[in-house]
Amino acid sequence: AQSVTQPDIHITVSEGASLELRCNYSYGATPYLFWYVQSPGQGLQLLLKYFSGDTLVQGIKGFEAEFKRSQSSFNLRKPSVHWSDAAEYFCAVGAGNYGQNFVFGPGTRLSVLP
Amino acid sequence: NAGVTQTPKFRVLKTGQSMTLLCAQDMNHEYMYWYRQDPGMGLRLIHYSVGEGTTAKGEVPDGYNVSRLKKQNFLLGLESAAPSQTSVYFCASSYRTLAGAHEQYFGPGTRLTVT
Repeated sequence: AQSVTQPDIHITVSEGASLELRCNYSYGATPYLFWYVQSPGQGLQLLLKYFSGDTLVQGIKGFEAEFKRSQSSFNLRKPSVHWSDAAEYFCAVGAGNYGQNFVFGPGTRLSVLP
Repeated sequence: NAGVTQTPKFRVLKTGQSMTLLCAQDMNHEYMYWYRQDPGMGLRLIHYSVGEGTTAKGEVPDGYNVSRLKKQNFLLGLESAAPSQTSVYFCASSYRTLAGAHEQYFGPGTRLTVT
């Protein structure tokens, strides 16, 4: 069965510092991978996605992620964090015939110190 | 475009009561989904629909029913609410991209408390 793990429940970084959020997946076929962000009391917003091709993908708000098949990982990075990035981040893998059924990780909560 | 909307935003039920959550999308997406979100567990799929008139079970379907009578609407019903159904419920819709994969768009959520 497909699964997604996010080893870090909560991360705190200082504003301006770099950020890396970890995501590992278990899926038999070529995965469709996603990162979503959820601000408090809000729905989920798509940050970026990987379907195929270049393993380094760029997203909105200055985020990027790298797909590493050998490590079954899809880590999210940002070179300089802003206070407005404080939120919860979810990694997901698209399963099913067309990747329509998403399996989400438990999420990583990001706090940003001024 | 409003995207994906959910009604209501908040609801408190007593054990045993019933209710229906409404999801609407104006993006002409074929696929729609209902998830629940609980602390530390991410989102879990309850039911989904691949088109008007069709529904299928997800990971945690027990205690819920759904209907997709119109393409733009997806209803989630609780026939007899239980405290274990206290959660935040999200609706999503998706389309199949040119790359063959789906991209899901989410509503703002409904916070349900069952006492």
